[in-house]
Amino acid sequence: GAGVSQTPSNKVTEKGKYVELRCDPISGHTALYWYRQSLGQGPEFLIYFQGTGAADDSGLPNDRFFAVRPEGSVSTLKIQRTERGDSAVYLCASSRFSRETQYFGPGTRLLVL
Amino acid sequence: ELKVEQNPLFLSMQEGKNYTIYCNYSTTSDRLYWYRQDPGKSLESLFVLLSNGAVKQEGRLMASLDTKARLSTLHITAAVHDLSATYFCAGRRDSNYQLIWGAGTKLIIKP
Repeated sequence: GAGVSQTPSNKVTEKGKYVELRCDPISGHTALYWYRQSLGQGPEFLIYFQGTGAADDSGLPNDRFFAVRPEGSVSTLKIQRTERGDSAVYLCASSRFSRETQYFGPGTRLLVL
Repeated sequence: ELKVEQNPLFLSMQEGKNYTIYCNYSTTSDRLYWYRQDPGKSLESLFVLLSNGAVKQEGRLMASLDTKARLSTLHITAAVHDLSATYFCAGRRDSNYQLIWGAGTKLIIKP
């Protein structure tokens, strides 16, 4: 079946702009996660959704970052007033239930100039 | 706080050789994951190890878990070029869904 999909695959923006990154999880997966991966490092947890609600947003670096999952399926990660330090690959993962293996999407490569 | 360390971070080896990647973690982790990442690609789940002494094998890769030593290993047998990738281990704190990741081991296998 279809895996986790993310759009866009690449995003180049200017410092100070607003960006939205989309994640479409595997159908039927109730849990959705956002991670950020910098070059040469492992992923860093950002936020976790169980259904429509953000069960844990403790990994969001500051209030410029926000994510939603209004219908319990597709999720959007929103970054306001982007900074050069936000440049990274943003990974989305989903799992059938919260404690099961997470399946990752291809990521969105964000470059802030 | 759970911390996960991998070593080596970089490994270059010849085809046909055997080698082991090590993953140490600092405190209790209720399971241990191994993922593979090809350049520019996403993370592919390889193994999940649930209990002490667990061993899983897929092709030339074998993963094991020693919870007493807080150590997991990923052993590569008779390496082939197609196994070139970055391998990550990740732990998970009890009653928590967050994965805590190692820095990854970049594996290059030369023909």
